[in-house]
Amino acid sequence: QVHLQESGPGLVKPSETLSLTCSVSGDSISASSYMWAWIRQPPGKGLEWIATVYYNGDSYHNPSLKTRATIYMDTSKNLFSLRLRSVTAADTAVYYCARQHFGYNVLDLWGQGTLVTVSS
Amino acid sequence: ENVLTQSPDTLSLSPGERATLSCTASDSLSKSVAWYQQKPGQAPRLLIYDASHRVAGIPARFSGSGSGTDFTLTISSLEPEDFALYYCQDRSDWTLTFGGGTKVEI
Repeated sequence: QVHLQESGPGLVKPSETLSLTCSVSGDSISASSYMWAWIRQPPGKGLEWIATVYYNGDSYHNPSLKTRATIYMDTSKNLFSLRLRSVTAADTAVYYCARQHFGYNVLDLWGQGTLVTVSS
Repeated sequence: ENVLTQSPDTLSLSPGERATLSCTASDSLSKSVAWYQQKPGQAPRLLIYDASHRVAGIPARFSGSGSGTDFTLTISSLEPEDFALYYCQDRSDWTLTFGGGTKVEI
């Protein structure tokens, strides 16, 4: 059974960098059938896709986040990560990692999510 | 940028009734619309992919339809556990876009 688990600090100061990791068990992130994604949800609001990475290193980012977000993977540890620079209060959200089907581009498996609050 | 507009924002229905949720895309080249269900405090769960294909294990009362710019999620007869938030999602140009969501409430 495949399981995704987010980890990272629950509190980040404004202007600092938010770093999150998604550990994947039960499947290899190097499998070509899947991509791996980060999505966030501000409290009481809708879902926002952040970025996706493929096993070959190709990555795709939400243009609205400009160059602040970076997604990368560590195949030796079977995990992928997100870095979001220069955070503000608007980046406060529940951050989810998810498995993205390569062909249909849907998110078929999600982690439980982790709340990150940006505050001094 | 493809914008997905979901309507209505809130749907107030009773168990046993039929729910019809709409998702309209601004881009006529919309591809592979999917539908997710989210309950409070939980991650979203994929229900439908490629507009009309139900994920294994999802009850048959959930169905999806549509093409082009207009897509629909139908719940034929609401069960108590179906009262939740529903999001549509599209992919274009290697970016994922979500609709604003429809809340189905009792």
